[in-house]
Amino acid sequence: KQEVTQIPAALSVPEGENLVLNCSFTDSAIYNLQWFRQDPGKGLTSLLLIQSSQREQTSGRLNASLDKSSGRSTLYIAASQPGDSATYLCAVEGYKLIFGSGTRLLVRP
Amino acid sequence: DAGVIQSPRHEVTEMGQEVTLRCKLISGHNSLFWYRQTMMRGLELLIYFNNNVPIDDSGMPEDRFSAKMPNASFSTLKIQPSEPRDSAVYFCASSLSIGSDQPQHFGDGTRLSIL
Repeated sequence: KQEVTQIPAALSVPEGENLVLNCSFTDSAIYNLQWFRQDPGKGLTSLLLIQSSQREQTSGRLNASLDKSSGRSTLYIAASQPGDSATYLCAVEGYKLIFGSGTRLLVRP
Repeated sequence: DAGVIQSPRHEVTEMGQEVTLRCKLISGHNSLFWYRQTMMRGLELLIYFNNNVPIDDSGMPEDRFSAKMPNASFSTLKIQPSEPRDSAVYFCASSLSIGSDQPQHFGDGTRLSIL
């Protein structure tokens, strides 16, 4: 049974800092891994999707990596801004999407 | 593109009442997913459809829950009778297809409170 774990559960950093969010999963038989952002009272917004054959994806200040063999992914956020404050969820897609519990990020001005 | 549209945004009702949640998919999307999010259990998949056909309903908690896709662009999730433990945020998501390079697009959710 696929299990997805995210560390840390919460993170508070000053503006401008580079930061890394971690995600691990137990079953490497996946189609893809996705990172989402969730703002309070809102749905999830897809940030990056890494197919199982890929190693990383980049979008603006965000870079996500995938190491399927070790069951790990990282989301790197460069030069963090207060507007990045949100909960970040990773999810792996096998025959369905399994979510981690998220990392709650606060970027302090 | 309007995105995935859910209604109502908030629902407060008394225990025992029937609740119907609605979802309009993004035009052209073939896969539809219903999720439930709670503090205790996080985000859980309840059921998903592909081309209007239910593929996996193993996440539906009990027979009190049912979901339908009467057409390619619309889905409903019904709870009858509702119970206080059903209180949660219910999300609908759609995608072009399952198991591909296409991300899921989420609605803003329905916050359900059963008193």
